[in-house]
Amino acid sequence: GNSVTQMEGPVTLSEEAFLTINCTYTATGYPSLFWYVQYPGEGLQLLLKATKADDKGSNKGFEATYRKETTSFHLEKGSVQVSDSAVYFCALGYSSASKIIFGSGTRLSIRP
Amino acid sequence: DVKVTQSSRYLVKRTGEKVFLECVQDMDHENMFWYRQDPGLGLRLIYFSYDVKMKEKGDIPEGYSVSREKKERFSLILESASTNQTSMYLCASSTGTVHNEKLFFGSGTQLSVL
Repeated sequence: GNSVTQMEGPVTLSEEAFLTINCTYTATGYPSLFWYVQYPGEGLQLLLKATKADDKGSNKGFEATYRKETTSFHLEKGSVQVSDSAVYFCALGYSSASKIIFGSGTRLSIRP
Repeated sequence: DVKVTQSSRYLVKRTGEKVFLECVQDMDHENMFWYRQDPGLGLRLIYFSYDVKMKEKGDIPEGYSVSREKKERFSLILESASTNQTSMYLCASSTGTVHNEKLFFGSGTQLSVL
């Protein structure tokens, strides 16, 4: 079946460090891929998305590239800030039934 | 901005009680969803709805039911609450197809069943 696997957290970094959160997926067909972010006490919100192979999604300094050959959608940011502390979810959208399948989430903590 | 409002932020119920979780969205979205969020398991889809009075089972519907009498409101019902239903419940809405639209989430309801 379709699934998303992302690196386990928590991930703790110092401010201005480089961030990578790994995400791989298993899916038939051509899903869209998403990163959602959940700040403390809030619901999830869409961070970025890519709808086809080799597309790059970007937002707020975060980037992720849809790699079909490696079935991956790793999240990167060149210089993290304390305000980036949150839980990050990788997800895929499977075209039948408009459902989105989420990974288990990665908690990110940034030290000042 | 789209707003998805869940009626309670925290809820404490006893085993065997009937529990209603309410969700309202204000942007005329066709699709509405109920997820539960558990540590290490991410979000799992319980039920979703494409339209008024329409409902579809998600991945973990057992022990739950839903109601969508009006387009803006989607209710999750625990017929007889059990301790393994202690969780964070997230409601979401969207319009259009999943490739072109995003989910808008409420802030969640933390349910504790004692």
